[in-house]
Amino acid sequence: DTGVSQDPRHKITKRGQNVTFRCDPISEHNRLYWYRQTLGQGPEFLTYFQNEAQLEKSRLLSDRFSAERPKGSFSTLEIQRTEQGDSAMYLCASSLVSGGAKDEQYFGPGTRLTVT
Amino acid sequence: DAKTTQPTSMDCAEGRAANLPCNHSTISGNEYVYWYRQIHSQGPQYIIHGLKNNETNEMASLIITEDRKSSTLILPHATLRDTAVYYCIVNGGSNYKLTFGKGTLLTVNP
Repeated sequence: DTGVSQDPRHKITKRGQNVTFRCDPISEHNRLYWYRQTLGQGPEFLTYFQNEAQLEKSRLLSDRFSAERPKGSFSTLEIQRTEQGDSAMYLCASSLVSGGAKDEQYFGPGTRLTVT
Repeated sequence: DAKTTQPTSMDCAEGRAANLPCNHSTISGNEYVYWYRQIHSQGPQYIIHGLKNNETNEMASLIITEDRKSSTLILPHATLRDTAVYYCIVNGGSNYKLTFGKGTLLTVNP
């Protein structure tokens, strides 16, 4: 257990429905990341937050995707009008950025989304 | 971020050292080498990182060549629980996002 939790762990939804995932990072970590992983591939970066500010979004993050991190604590990732291509593992990670040294990211267990 | 090249898969006998290579010939001066691993159905786990000097922690050792174009992750006494996909990542951007390739599937055999 890395201290990063994600909820739910599994989600099955029908195409066209909206889904929301939650990530609770390690409490003192100021950065939070979302990644997506499909079968047989490494995780792909989606977006990240420094405290409550969303600083970068990947081109993978279409306008059906939105992420928030209110108050710089937990984060939510919402997918609207889900498509079968959204089926994947959604991973959250957090890190503490301090000074010039690179910091490691701690990953949660992921939320596996299946769109039928 | 620089591209990395890793073997698709490797085998190792339990109790022996596992040496996982990574090529990163286009690495630039301010880029670090990170290693993560992912055990089946779990999130990736940080192992170690380094800039130019060799590094060691409780999990592994990282050996970086003098020209920094390649590195080797060493698991000194592999166990069955070390079976996982190991990712070598070069990262130097200011946003710290990780770019994962396909990694190396290490299978530790009894």
